[in-house]
Amino acid sequence: QQQVKQSPQSLIVQKGGISIINCAYENTAFDYFPWYQQFPGKGPALLIAIRPDVSEKKEGRFTISFNKSAKQFSLHIMDSQPGDSATYFCAASRDPGANNLFFGTGTRLTVIP
Amino acid sequence: EAGVVQSPRYKIIEKKQPVAFWCNPISGHNTLYWYLQNLGQGPELLIRYENEEAVDDSQLPKDRFSAERLKGVDSTLKIQPAELGDSAVYLCASSPGSRGGELFFGEGSRLTVL
Repeated sequence: QQQVKQSPQSLIVQKGGISIINCAYENTAFDYFPWYQQFPGKGPALLIAIRPDVSEKKEGRFTISFNKSAKQFSLHIMDSQPGDSATYFCAASRDPGANNLFFGTGTRLTVIP
Repeated sequence: EAGVVQSPRYKIIEKKQPVAFWCNPISGHNTLYWYLQNLGQGPELLIRYENEEAVDDSQLPKDRFSAERLKGVDSTLKIQPAELGDSAVYLCASSPGSRGGELFFGEGSRLTVL
């Protein structure tokens, strides 16, 4: 059973546009929600993360929006650039003192120049 | 500072053959993970080590998979015998061990079983 559901599977955005990726979870014990970025042939790398005590976190062009009651969170990439073309994974973890991340299935983002 | 190092990057074997993957985590990182990433999917945890102790191996198929982390530093993941369905990327990651902290992934070892 997929612990974290992610959509869309793929996304094509024009340069300068906004990319939006959505994730949903069921386990209310999850308390850490990171987003990882993966380029072809590379391992995932942490992009931005949020905890459920805040509804939004922004770092540069990347923003996480978190809706605790709906058990949903999303990644917004403002002013999308061709260099942002990669696969994005949302994730969640629940274990205190551990980092057992449950990953979504990924979204392949393509930013067209 | 060097990142997580994995080898080999690519391995092609015939089914029923054994294979081993090696991981050297970031210096000072006590927690080490092995993840499996199938094509088009997110990583799935196989095993997590705290120093030399395997604290979560519930997802490791123990009939054919084994792992060790001697001296709490480097780790080896072994598959014996390999099956066609084992074709995937095996990712190693490490973290300082702090709760909710960042995982640092290696580039992965891509296994193809023929």
